[in-house]
Amino acid sequence: DADVTQTPRNRITKTGKRIMLECSQTKGHDRMYWYRQDPGLGLRLIYYSFDVKDINKGEISDGYSVSRQAQAKFSLSLESAIPNQTALYFCATSGREDSLNYGYTFGSGTRLTVV
Amino acid sequence: SQKIEQNSEALNIQEGKTATLTCNYTNYSPAYLQWYRQDPGRGPVFLLLIRENEKEKRKERLKVTFDTTLKQSLFHITASQPADSATYLCALYQGAQKLVFGQGTRLTINP
Repeated sequence: DADVTQTPRNRITKTGKRIMLECSQTKGHDRMYWYRQDPGLGLRLIYYSFDVKDINKGEISDGYSVSRQAQAKFSLSLESAIPNQTALYFCATSGREDSLNYGYTFGSGTRLTVV
Repeated sequence: SQKIEQNSEALNIQEGKTATLTCNYTNYSPAYLQWYRQDPGRGPVFLLLIRENEKEKRKERLKVTFDTTLKQSLFHITASQPADSATYLCALYQGAQKLVFGQGTRLTINP
């Protein structure tokens, strides 16, 4: 099994619909992140969480919300999807600072299309 | 906020040559910088980290340099192979355990 699992892998949804992307990890990491990737723009941080009771906005949080249900689970919701939220979404995890030598561990991504 | 620029969206190199990718940043020098590899349809995979007090770091055929005066990191792949074809991302530590990523350079190694 993958260290970081994202579901679904692909999703097409209609404008205005609510959609949830899920992420679970077996790394035992405290820190979890949601990024979106768009061509030419790179990865941009949406939300991040350093433990179950900690939620922080990233640079592009408008239109999104998150829930950290457990140390291993971090979900991203689009309350009312719009076409410019069409993108590739990645969940990532990291350990405490002294393990940053190992970088972030990313999931395989969710390709979301809003029509 | 920190701005990162990676050289050319795409780079084509002949097999066996050294590929050199550039990552430039605009503001303060980060405590460390990381390089990732991303294959189509997959998430980025961590390759190397280099700290601000390190000039160079090596791992097998990979070499990373970090010049805080030029505000630049160079990523080298020596003896390049077609299997090295991928998109390579640099990422800078932004503080509070956050990374900011460049847009990536798509590297193609031609046989």
